[in-house]
Amino acid sequence: DIQMTQSPSSVSASVGDRVTITCRASQGISNWLAWYQQKPGKAPKLLIYDVSSLQSGVPSRFSGSGSGTDFTLTISSLQPEDFATYYCQQTSNFPLYTFGQGTKLEIK
Amino acid sequence: EVQLVQSGAEVKKPGESLKISCKGSGYTFTNYWVGWVRQMPGKGLEWMGIIYPRDSDTRYSPSFQGQVTISADESVNTAYLQWNSLKASDTAMYYCVRHQSAITYRYFDYWGQGTLVTVSS
Repeated sequence: DIQMTQSPSSVSASVGDRVTITCRASQGISNWLAWYQQKPGKAPKLLIYDVSSLQSGVPSRFSGSGSGTDFTLTISSLQPEDFATYYCQQTSNFPLYTFGQGTKLEIK
Repeated sequence: EVQLVQSGAEVKKPGESLKISCKGSGYTFTNYWVGWVRQMPGKGLEWMGIIYPRDSDTRYSPSFQGQVTISADESVNTAYLQWNSLKASDTAMYYCVRHQSAITYRYFDYWGQGTLVTVSS
């Protein structure tokens, strides 16, 4: 199985800050990488797929980058509604998908 | 509007059976895979398995193979997740998801609202 490791597990930031979350795969996954956002009591929401493609309706302050085994999610200017938990997911080998353990983004 | 609507919360005893549902609407149900994701209390997301309703091709995560059964009924645009004998460790929120393709767009673009399953004696 491909393991996905996110860092940090939690981060505190202020509105307007730039935040970066990292996801590392245990082996190369090409571009098969997505990011999801989950707010408390809600279902996750797809933000980014294929490493850097923005899902329809997602604000442009969200961006993704990386290749091979190392990937990042960047929020350029945090908004109050961005405080949530973020998960990466690899889909390299259908259907043996795995999620990262999550990164909780909290208000400083 | 694409929607996945799941059945309501369940409270069961260990050893009991359970089948929860996920009804798709606003799209051609048989053109997309439907999957299931577990989230235990306070924990992360775990991929369970997936089904293609058109031909009932079903795949499981190794962690869930033999523990649950995924099925679908295309006549009512509904996918199911079933347990034959629940354990306390099955207590979790379960989400169904829409998955477009095994080849190209391998992502979960729509999610159900979740079904909370509580197993307690």
